[in-house]
Parts: sequence; structure tokens; C-alpha cells
Amino acid sequence: QVQLVESGGGLVKPGGSLRLSCAASGFTFSDYYMSWIRQAPGKGLEWVSYISSSGSTIYYADSVKGRFTISRDNAKNSLYLQMNSLRAEDTAVYYCARVGRISPDLRFLDYWGQGTLVTVSS
Amino acid sequence: SYELTQPPSVSVSPGQTASITCSGDKLGDKYACWYQQKPGQSPVLVIYQDSKRPSGIPERFSGSNSGNTATLTISGTQAMDEADYYCQAWDSSSFVFGTGTKVTVL
Repeated sequence: QVQLVESGGGLVKPGGSLRLSCAASGFTFSDYYMSWIRQAPGKGLEWVSYISSSGSTIYYADSVKGRFTISRDNAKNSLYLQMNSLRAEDTAVYYCARVGRISPDLRFLDYWGQGTLVTVSS
Repeated sequence: SYELTQPPSVSVSPGQTASITCSGDKLGDKYACWYQQKPGQSPVLVIYQDSKRPSGIPERFSGSNSGNTATLTISGTQAMDEADYYCQAWDSSSFVFGTGTKVTVL
């Protein structure tokens, strides 16, 4: 069965850095686009970033562009999110998710991990 | 940027039908999907491509999308359906989520 397991969250000071990882299993990781989504405490879902199966296509939300970097290692079945210049408003549970895409104009998130909490505070 | 708006809350009696709307400019020209999130859990996809149910999702969940509004309908609502629900569309190479609706089963 599909499993996505995030790790790397924790407490970090404003301006600091953190690297999140997502270990995938139960499917052919290299065939799928992947994404990061976050959810601030008591708030809704916010899309963060998206990467194609080969890593050649990457998109970011405006709120993280220039500070966060998504990457993947298909040999290790792993997805990453390097987060720099962290701010208090980046505090959230970060989920990795598998992207379903049936056509060029259709994208959805068919499997989600359990999430990892990132807290940015002094 | 594209925005999707949902009512903050919907209440429904057990066994009745709950309808959750998601409004966005010409949303009917895009594909809508829906996620269910129970407290302390990760979101689960319940509807994709406007009206398709993933494997394992009960038939009481259905969806439609036309004009500026997508709708998630829960028929014969059960207590286990109490959760937050989010719509989502794909626009300009971005995932756009709705504001979320809390469904309460009274």
C-alpha cells in the first residue's frame, strides 16, 4: 500500500533553516509528481511546492518562493523540502502528497503523509 | 491569484443530505476535487475530476461542477462524516484550496 512518511520537523528560530524529508513506498516513486502542502495551527490547507517525476519541472507558492527548495532523489524514493529564512508564519504541519494527473489540466493529491510539525519561534 | 470560497460551516442531521459548495470564477471550466480531514488526521481525497470517487470512498459521497460552483454532496450522512472538507482546483500551475467547511452532524 502507498505510504508517505515525513520527517525533519522541529523548533527553529526565525531566520533559521530546516530540511524536511518524505520517504515513499508502495508505488513506483519515479513515475509520480509530488507536492508539499502545509497547514498552520487551526487554519486551512496551503499548497507550498510541486515537482515533476524527473525533477525538471518545479513550482512554488509565492509565499515561499526564493526561500524554499523542493527536490527529490528517485534512487532513494525520497522527497525533500529545504526551508531557509524561516518566519513565524511558516509555522505549520507540513504534508507531502502524491500527485494524481490524468490530463494536463487535472491535478489532485491522492495520497498524503501524516505530516511533520515545523515551529518557528524565538 | 485564483480563489475558492466555501461556507465556514454546514450542519446536518444523521441520515439527511449535506451539500457543501465551492465557488470560484469559471470553476466549471476547471476540474474540482474534494478532501475530507478529520481532527488530528491527514486529508483524504474523496472526490476527484469533479465527480469521481477513489477506491474505498463510500457511494454516499458525490460531486458536481458547473458554472462558478462545485458541490460536494453527502447523502445519508453518518456521524463518521463529521469533518472539515476542502475543495481544490488546479490553476496556473498551482494547487488552489478552498477556505474549508466544517460539517457537523447533529
